[in-house]
Amino acid sequence: NAGVTQTPKFRVLKTGQSMTLLCAQDMNHEYMYWYRQDPGMGLRLIHYSVGEGTTAKGEVPDGYNVSRLKKQNFLLGLESAAPSQTSVYFCASSYGGGTIEQFFGPGTRLTVL
Amino acid sequence: GQQLNQSPQSMFIQEGEDVSMNCTSSSIFNTWLWYKQDPGEGPVLLIALYKAGELTSNGRLTAQFGITRKDSFLNISASIPSDVGIYFCAGRDFNSGGSNYKLTFGKGTLLTVNP
Repeated sequence: NAGVTQTPKFRVLKTGQSMTLLCAQDMNHEYMYWYRQDPGMGLRLIHYSVGEGTTAKGEVPDGYNVSRLKKQNFLLGLESAAPSQTSVYFCASSYGGGTIEQFFGPGTRLTVL
Repeated sequence: GQQLNQSPQSMFIQEGEDVSMNCTSSSIFNTWLWYKQDPGEGPVLLIALYKAGELTSNGRLTAQFGITRKDSFLNISASIPSDVGIYFCAGRDFNSGGSNYKLTFGKGTLLTVNP
């Protein structure tokens, strides 16, 4: 099993450009999450999904959109990138059903110039 | 919202030494998790704790769920160079209403091991 995979691993954008980060998991997990990690800030939840076709806002959702059209995939979109969105983005998934252990992907390092 | 205070922020130790770090919350937690993040990688789950007082080991790592339910501890025995990384605690607030999506994360302890 590959676990949680993320593409791309690195990306550089110019201010105002758009992009989509892809997360895929092969563990049949119900829940999926997008976090950003910034120095001194720890991990902050952007959006999450409790099942196929559902999404919800986390603590820092502004400037991001998400979609979960298939159970195994969770997409994070930036419609108009800003320098403040320079960060490392992690996707995670969990089984759901009362278990909370989250399993993380390797991350995407995004730089917005 | 609730906060997790993780200490120390960083540690520099010699290979072979034991390490202790802890995490405290402002509210009662019903689950504690400990993760390790290697440079350039995502966090990897090390240990999960579910009951107050629970003591769980994973190789040279031992974690405890504090009896007050507001803290947790991670110990690493006989450290080796590959223990280098950032160790995060995470927990689920008892008052989260049973939702199993929301974890609160500490800001991490950076461990450096000198060979």
